[in-house]
Order: sequence, then C-alpha cells, then structure tokens
Amino acid sequence: SQQGEEDPQALSIQEGENATMNCSYKTSINNLQWYRQNSGRGLVHLILIRSNEREKHSGRLRVTLDTSKKSSSLLITASRAADTASYFCATGGEGNTPLVFGKGTRLSVIA
Amino acid sequence: ETGVTQTPRHLVMGMTNKKSLKCEQHLGHNAMYWYKQSAKKPLELMFVYNFKEQTENNSVPSRFSPECPNSSHLFLHLHTLQPEDSALYLCASSHPTSGSYEQYFGPGTRLTVT
Repeated sequence: SQQGEEDPQALSIQEGENATMNCSYKTSINNLQWYRQNSGRGLVHLILIRSNEREKHSGRLRVTLDTSKKSSSLLITASRAADTASYFCATGGEGNTPLVFGKGTRLSVIA
Repeated sequence: ETGVTQTPRHLVMGMTNKKSLKCEQHLGHNAMYWYKQSAKKPLELMFVYNFKEQTENNSVPSRFSPECPNSSHLFLHLHTLQPEDSALYLCASSHPTSGSYEQYFGPGTRLTVT
C-alpha cells in the first residue's frame, strides 16, 4: 500500500531559488527518508530523519518532520540546474519492513 | 557509483523470450530488493531477500522468478512477459541488521517487451 504522497507532483523554478517539496503519510513511522532520481536512473538516498527529530540538515538540504500532521518537507536552497530530478519520500525499512515510496515530485531547475 | 550494479542496462525482448536480469552489490549488505518503476506510477516493491531467503513477494505474477544464490547477487528471471511489463527494473540493497535503513539502488534495467 502507498504510504507517502508527495506534493506538488511537478515544480519548476529558476536557478538560485529555493525548492520546497512536501510529503504526507498515513500511519505511524519510525523514520522517513528522501531520495532523488535522475531521469531513467536509480534512486539515490539523500537524508533520513527519525520520528524523534524535527529538523535535519545536509548541505543545501533541509528536512522537517511533523509527526502530529504526518508530514515532512524537503527544502533545497539555492537550487542548481543539476538538482533537476524526481524526489521521493519513503517510509519503513526497519527490520524486514519494506520501504514504501510515494509517486514523487518532479523538480525542474531552469538555468 | 552506489556499489550496486545491474546488467543489462537496456533489454528488448519478445513475449515468448526468456531473459534474466542481474544485480550485484559490493557493499556487504544482507538484504536485496527488486522494484518495478512504470511511468506515472509509484515505485512498486516486487521481492525482498534477507540473507538469501525470500521474505517478501508482493503478489508478483509467476512470469517473474527471482533467484538469490548469495547475499551479493540477485537475479530476476523473465519469461512470457506482457507489453505492460515494460518498465524500469531497479535493484537495491540495504543492511537493516546494522540499524541502517537506507537503501542503495543500482542504475536499473530499462525493459521493453514487444
């Protein structure tokens, strides 16, 4: 069953602007992950945030988690053309629990 | 490079053919996965192997047959596929027993069934 739902489905911004993508999920989680996928390629893990964390940073990435609203956001600051990709949130992955991905947000950064 | 390789990268096959996809991970992980990614659909988990044992079969048709001879290698054997099976097939690995939940993906095999 699908757990994460990203919003918006597609986002187009100018280089240098910030990009914000949101993810909502339905059941309780222990952690939430964000992945990036360049066109026709495999997914690359970006960041994991645990349920007891509210915010996490990695370079130009900032992830927030609001467990009361069952939502997370991914902020990419000072975007670059190379950030053009699809971004997915995923929940699960503990023990034998499989990861469940959303449909993703397609980000286009225009130079 | 993520440490997970997949071959072939592209495959075109007829509905009566038999082919196999191969995945290899060089990360020392003990769990491996097959996913199917179709256009405009969420990533679909197909199979999960932990320490070579299949722990998840997500109602996948029998025309897809996985094989995991050891913790580093995973195969997906294909036979009598349908055109709707055309998709990007992704392999991933992880090491959940170490408390790490991230999955590392290969580049995928783009499969076209004619």
